[in-house]
Amino acid sequence: SYELTQPPSVSVSPGQTARITCSGDSLPKQYSYWYQQKPGQAPVLVIYKDTARPSGIPERFSGSSSGTTVTLTISGVQAEDEADYYCQSADSSGTWVFGGGTKLTVL
Amino acid sequence: QVTLRESGPALVKPTQTLTLTCTFSGFSLTTTGMCVTWIRQPPGKALEWLALIDWDDDKFYSTSLKTRLTISRDTSKNQVALSMTNMDSVDTATYYCARARTVVKHSMGFDTWGQGTMVTVSS
Repeated sequence: SYELTQPPSVSVSPGQTARITCSGDSLPKQYSYWYQQKPGQAPVLVIYKDTARPSGIPERFSGSSSGTTVTLTISGVQAEDEADYYCQSADSSGTWVFGGGTKLTVL
Repeated sequence: QVTLRESGPALVKPTQTLTLTCTFSGFSLTTTGMCVTWIRQPPGKALEWLALIDWDDDKFYSTSLKTRLTISRDTSKNQVALSMTNMDSVDTATYYCARARTVVKHSMGFDTWGQGTMVTVSS
């Protein structure tokens, strides 16, 4: 299997843009997925297949991909966006992996 | 409405085998593209993917844990079970099951999760 690397923490003021990166050697070949997890709750899928947003997820959440790095962007961050965010991908054999998670703090 | 619920023992002893059950509704695991997967999260730590079973009864396992894991399904009961052998204190975690969908050979991600069940390994 392989690894996905995320920064441990990102801080941003309300209304600003938060960018959370995720790096992995297989990302140019495999789709990425992003999950939001608030304390005491199960994760919620916020981005799938690099850039797609599930129904019900606010438009301020977006995803992008460039080479071995994918990025989750939250535009106009709100206090309710404070959470842990995990990237995820799979290899060609069907094995999944999560990144180490990034704690987003809204100052 | 898709729902999943995990059940199983809250406490297991070291060396024992853990068996968890995921009971789901709102979809059929025999429908093309449907999958159920297990993920765990030790207290204060990151998510770790464990195993997945798909509509064709194909099974996929974490490389690091595959020798200890068995995933199975009972389609008549809408249940998926996960067994993990030789439990140790490091396996203490919240265990989640989730639905995953595959459309045209590409996953749509783990789109619905259960609430999770906490399992403590201690003598």
